[in-house]
Formats: sequence, structure tokens, C-alpha cells
Amino acid sequence: QSALTQPASVSGSPGQSITISCTGTSSDVGSYNLVSWYQQHPGKAPKLMIYEVSKRPSGVSNRFSGSKSGNTASLTISGLQAEDEADYYCCSYAGSSVGVFGTGTKVTVL
Amino acid sequence: EVQLVESGGGLVQPGRSLRLSCAASGFTFDDYAMHWVRQAPGKGLEWVSGISWNSGSIGYADSVKGRFTISRDNAKNSLYLQMNSLRAEDTALYYCAKDLATTVTTTVFDIWGQGTMVTVSS
Repeated sequence: QSALTQPASVSGSPGQSITISCTGTSSDVGSYNLVSWYQQHPGKAPKLMIYEVSKRPSGVSNRFSGSKSGNTASLTISGLQAEDEADYYCCSYAGSSVGVFGTGTKVTVL
Repeated sequence: EVQLVESGGGLVQPGRSLRLSCAASGFTFDDYAMHWVRQAPGKGLEWVSGISWNSGSIGYADSVKGRFTISRDNAKNSLYLQMNSLRAEDTALYYCAKDLATTVTTTVFDIWGQGTMVTVSS
């Protein structure tokens, strides 16, 4: 149960696109299409942004998209906006009712 | 309104025990798996434990296995976390979270509570 690996920080200018990677193993990300992404603003509870690799919950902007290749999942934010500045975490199912989060990425809008 | 409200946090000495509760409302509680996720001050999210809709399937993070016990009472729409042998590294905000899917455990969390703070210190 090692944490999934994410870059500590990613930044971009308004309107640009950024991508956050989430690298796991063949026991978690590589084995299940149960990768999800969460946005967390300071002092707030996390919010589900993407589930099952690439699905968006109702109400989440289509500027957020997800994908997966092998043991690495990715979250792309297009048309970056000031309100997107937050911490982002990936999470994967790892079998036997166990989940594992990523290390987290701080997104800065320049 | 779908809502999760945690309670039971507080200051506790190392080695002691604490029991967290999570009251659910606004959805059919016994249809869904439920989870505990924690966040140490200034740190990232850590999945702690999950329990299936009928308590038939339970999982724990290695960091709490053997010390924490998750349970649920579907008649009371409530989730619990019994925490024994607490350590300083268990200090965190503990969130209760609802699983997205019915009847199976996906570790996709679509509803979160606001959390209850647990501080382990002498």
C-alpha cells in the first residue's frame, strides 16, 4: 500500500492546459479502472472531480478530463481558471476493499 | 440533502482509545459502502478503512491494521471507527466518505463529511 506518486506542484497561466500525473503499480492503477480525482481547497473537504478514470460527476466542468495508460493515470485541466487553484489527489482501488491515494499536487494559477 | 456528520474527535493520550461516529442522512445508507479517510495537518489524504454495505467486506490501511476497527449500524444510518493503541502519527482530521457505487466497494468517494479532528498527544 504505497502512496501513488504525483508531482508536488504544477502551475500554469489562465487559459492554459495543465496535466497532473498519478503513477501507481500493476496492483492498483494498472489493474483497475477505478481511478478517481479530488480537488481540495484550503480548509475544505475534498470534492470528486473524475471517477472511473475519465467520467465526470454531474456539475463538474468539462474542462476537467482524465485518462490512463498502464500504471499511470492523468488529470488534465484545460482553460485554467483562478478558481482551479487547489490541491489535487488521485485515488485508486487496490483490491480487497482497499484504496490508496496519491501524494497530492498543488496547482498554482500564475 | 445528502449529509455526513462526523463526531467523537478530541485530544487523547498515546496508547489510549477513541471511537468516531458518522451520521448519514439524505440517502439510502444501507445501499452503499462507506469509508474513513484522514488528513494529518498540512499533509495529504490517506485512506484508512472501508466497509461494504452489509459489513461483509472490510479493508484497512496497513498503517492502522490491527489497531482500528470499522463498523456500521444500518438501522441507525451510522458508521463507526474504533481506534485503539493510538499513536502521535494518528493525529489527523478524520473524514467519513460515501462510496459512489451501490453494493460494491469502489473506493470512489462522492460525498464527504466536514471531518472530526483527532489529536494524539501527552
